Amino acid sequence: GESVGLHLPTLSVQEGDNSIINCAYSNSASDYFIWYKQESGKGPQFIIDIRSNMDKRQGQRVTVLLNKTVKHLSLQIAATQPGDSAVYFCADNTGANSKLTFGKGITLSVRP
Amino acid sequence: GAVVSQHPSWVICKSGTSVKIECRSLDFQATTMFWYRQFPKQSLMLMATSNEGSKATYEQGVEKDKFLINHASLTLSTLTVTSAHPEDSSFYICSARDSRGDTQYFGPGTRLTVL
Repeated sequence: GESVGLHLPTLSVQEGDNSIINCAYSNSASDYFIWYKQESGKGPQFIIDIRSNMDKRQGQRVTVLLNKTVKHLSLQIAATQPGDSAVYFCADNTGANSKLTFGKGITLSVRP
Repeated sequence: GAVVSQHPSWVICKSGTSVKIECRSLDFQATTMFWYRQFPKQSLMLMATSNEGSKATYEQGVEKDKFLINHASLTLSTLTVTSAHPEDSSFYICSARDSRGDTQYFGPGTRLTVL
């Protein structure tokens, strides 16, 4: 992910709509990417991952898209629910030592 | 599966005292664990990488004598904040990498407040 910032951007969506959360990474050697969800006062929770030999991976209500050409990662959440409200972080590593580089984080706010 | 626990979940201590935080992988073995620090509304900052049976690798700017890390077994790593000061107050989070793969699973975090 990109370097740490001081202010987390916010994405506000209506309950039931689809959410798209975007992330840019800087290391072209990164070959493993993960999305985490962090609720207030808790540790990050694994959502979905993808390796660099894929460009799309689907989970339950979530889809991760990887565009290595522009070093862009996105997380799509279908039928967003109030329980999806949290901060979402993308992370990447090169696999060699498994150190994760975290993106800035985006706050997802779901309107009822 | 892939549960990581931390203890304590929160701690308040006086300035100058030392605090130990435990990180355990409950249902898998983790040869590598990581310690992060997170300030409010910011991303996670890696402090150090803890490898079972060897010395931890610290990130640039992290004082190894102040943040002592021990990884004595495949399921336990500890972080000791020595001579804590108010500026050490933060949310400390550990993660454990399953020995069979690349995914890191995070603990629930420990809120440290130094008075």
